[in-house]
Amino acid sequence: GAVVSQHPSWVICKSGTSVKIECRSLDFQATTMFWYRQFPKQSLMLMATSNEGSKATYEQGVEKDKFLINHASLTLSTLTVTSAHPEDSSFYICSARGAGVREKLFFGSGTQLSVL
Amino acid sequence: GDSVTQMEGPVTLSEEAFLTINCTYTATGYPSLFWYVQYPGEGLQLLLKATKADDKGSNKGFEATYRKETTSFHLEKGSVQVSDSAVYFCALSDRGGSEKLVFGKGTKLTVNP
Repeated sequence: GAVVSQHPSWVICKSGTSVKIECRSLDFQATTMFWYRQFPKQSLMLMATSNEGSKATYEQGVEKDKFLINHASLTLSTLTVTSAHPEDSSFYICSARGAGVREKLFFGSGTQLSVL
Repeated sequence: GDSVTQMEGPVTLSEEAFLTINCTYTATGYPSLFWYVQYPGEGLQLLLKATKADDKGSNKGFEATYRKETTSFHLEKGSVQVSDSAVYFCALSDRGGSEKLVFGKGTKLTVNP
C-alpha cells in the first residue's frame, strides 16, 4: 500500500532554533498534504492544509510565520518550526492524499519535537 | 464546531476479551465517520469507515455502526488479540467539501496474552 515517510521521528532542539520536518510520499503523488499537532492527552489538531505548488491554508490560531509549510513537489512537504520555544514541544504528524482518492489518507509515523 | 469524543484510556484487556471503545460526535450536516489505528512506530492507518446513517464499517474483525440518533460510532471486536495492541482514533470528516478530519484524543489499547 501507499507509504508516507516522515523524518525525523524525534528531535530535540534549543529554544530559538528552527527545526524542519519532512514528509514524503514514497509511491504516489500527493496532491494534498495535511499537518497535525498533538499535545499530550489531546486530540490531533489540524494545523494546515497544503496543495502542491500553492500556499498552505492555516487553521485558525496557527501562526503561519512560525510554522512554515512548503509543498514544492508532489512527493515532498516540509514543516519548519521557526524560533522554537518550549511550548512548541509536541507530536507532529503529516498525512497525504493522492490524486483522485478522496477520503483516503496516508499518514506518516509522526515526529516528537522537544524544545529545551 | 465539529468535535469527536472518545473514551479515555488506557484500556487493558486479556486476549480473547470483548472490546468496546466508545465514540460520540457533534457535527453540523452529515459527516463521514472513521476509525484509525496506530501501531507502535507506525503511521495512522484507516481501520474502517461509514459514510451514512446505519452503515456498518468492518475490517479485521472490528466493527462500528453509524448511529445518527445517538451520534455515536462505537468500535467493537468480539475477541481481541495481542496484535491489536495500538492506539485507536475516532474521526469525522465534513462532507461539505472541506474533507478535513476532526479526531478524538485516541485510546490506547493493550492486550495481554
